[in-house]
Amino acid sequence: NAGVTQTPKFQVLKTGQSMTLQCAQDMNHEYMSWYRQDPGMGLRLIHYSVGAGITDQGEVPNGYNVSRSTTEDFPLRLLSAAPSQTSVYFCASSGGHEQFFGPGTRLTVL
Amino acid sequence: GQSLEQPSEVTAVEGAIVQINCTYQTSGFYGLSWYQQHDGGAPTFLSYNALDGLEETGRFSSFLSRSDSYGYLLLQELQMKDSASYFCAASMDSNYQLIWGAGTKLIIKP
Repeated sequence: NAGVTQTPKFQVLKTGQSMTLQCAQDMNHEYMSWYRQDPGMGLRLIHYSVGAGITDQGEVPNGYNVSRSTTEDFPLRLLSAAPSQTSVYFCASSGGHEQFFGPGTRLTVL
Repeated sequence: GQSLEQPSEVTAVEGAIVQINCTYQTSGFYGLSWYQQHDGGAPTFLSYNALDGLEETGRFSSFLSRSDSYGYLLLQELQMKDSASYFCAASMDSNYQLIWGAGTKLIIKP
């Protein structure tokens, strides 16, 4: 039981490049979400999904897209990377009030 | 707007007791969660309060007063491994969306 996995762990992009952050969970959770965490701050919700085929925007969705074709996977796409998107990105899944987090992806945009 | 306020930093001595407060201003409040995050790591769930009162889990306890929009996390018999950031997070609806405080860095001195 791997829990929530994220790849890559680290990524450096140039401004304007696009990429996809991968997230997968093996706990059969319906609810999944993506957060970003900036230094000294709490987590801010980017997008979330309450089940396969259903996604919605969180607090800070601009510049990001998501899809949920299966229960297990919830990728986050950066459409055209900007320096303001330099952050640590966490994926989480939940079957109740406890959210389980992946190890995070540290993204730097130059 | 929706916000959670918690102290940015708290210092305590090993073996002592410390309380981390959290006040919230939100709509559609369902409950208050607490998470621990060590430097470089992912948040891990500690507790959840949906009803007023105290919930105890080992050395950690969490309290909620819905009428005062206030909660706290109580850590007893502090150990050096408890040095971490602690976040309160409010559940906004039954879909487990969370709004996060900025976190409290707990510094423990020997």
